Amino acid sequence: AQTVTQSQPEMSVQEAETVTLSCTYDTSESDYYLFWYKQPPSRQMILVIRQEAYKQQNATENRFSVNFQKAAKSFSLKISDSQLGDAAMYFCAYRSATDSNYQLIWGAGTKLIIKP
Amino acid sequence: NAGVMQNPRHLVRRRGQEARLRCSPMKGHSHVYWYRQLPEEGLKFMVYLQKENIIDESGMPKERFSAEFPKEGPSILRIQQVVRGDSAAYFCASSPTGPRVGIYGYTFGSGTRLTVV
Repeated sequence: AQTVTQSQPEMSVQEAETVTLSCTYDTSESDYYLFWYKQPPSRQMILVIRQEAYKQQNATENRFSVNFQKAAKSFSLKISDSQLGDAAMYFCAYRSATDSNYQLIWGAGTKLIIKP
Repeated sequence: NAGVMQNPRHLVRRRGQEARLRCSPMKGHSHVYWYRQLPEEGLKFMVYLQKENIIDESGMPKERFSAEFPKEGPSILRIQQVVRGDSAAYFCASSPTGPRVGIYGYTFGSGTRLTVV
């Protein structure tokens, strides 16, 4: 069974600086998808960024980028120029590319604190 | 274009009561997925439904929990005889067709926080 591990329960960063959130996963599959979701205090689960395992190029969305290391099964999220609105819980999630295996497998989350 | 709507946002129930959580999928979506988030944990899959059909309930506790998605109206997650351990946030996601669209990231509602006292 697949597992997702986020080893940092909490991270803090000064506003405008860069922070990296870690995520590792375990799978025997070769084709899958990885996601980072943001959960602000409103509790809305918001998709931040996604990565297809078959793509070597790291995904980027504005200030958010990932470092995807397939061999190491690592999928870290880098947030550049941190803003107060980035404060939230961040969850890493895995999904098989197999149609019949559609469940999202989630890490326990990392709480990101932005210091003004 | 309203997103996935869940209500109530907060629900307090005494032990032994019933809890009903509602999820209205995005317009045009006929597939619904329920997840549960226990405190300090990520989400855990519970059940996948299409209109009038339960496709996969492998993540649902065998007793006291049930889900439906009728032809008309919202999807309902029902918990009978609630216990303290049921306290959690319950999230719903929807997709227009099958779960393959989930490779682009599901759209989630804001969840219902159930507190059992």
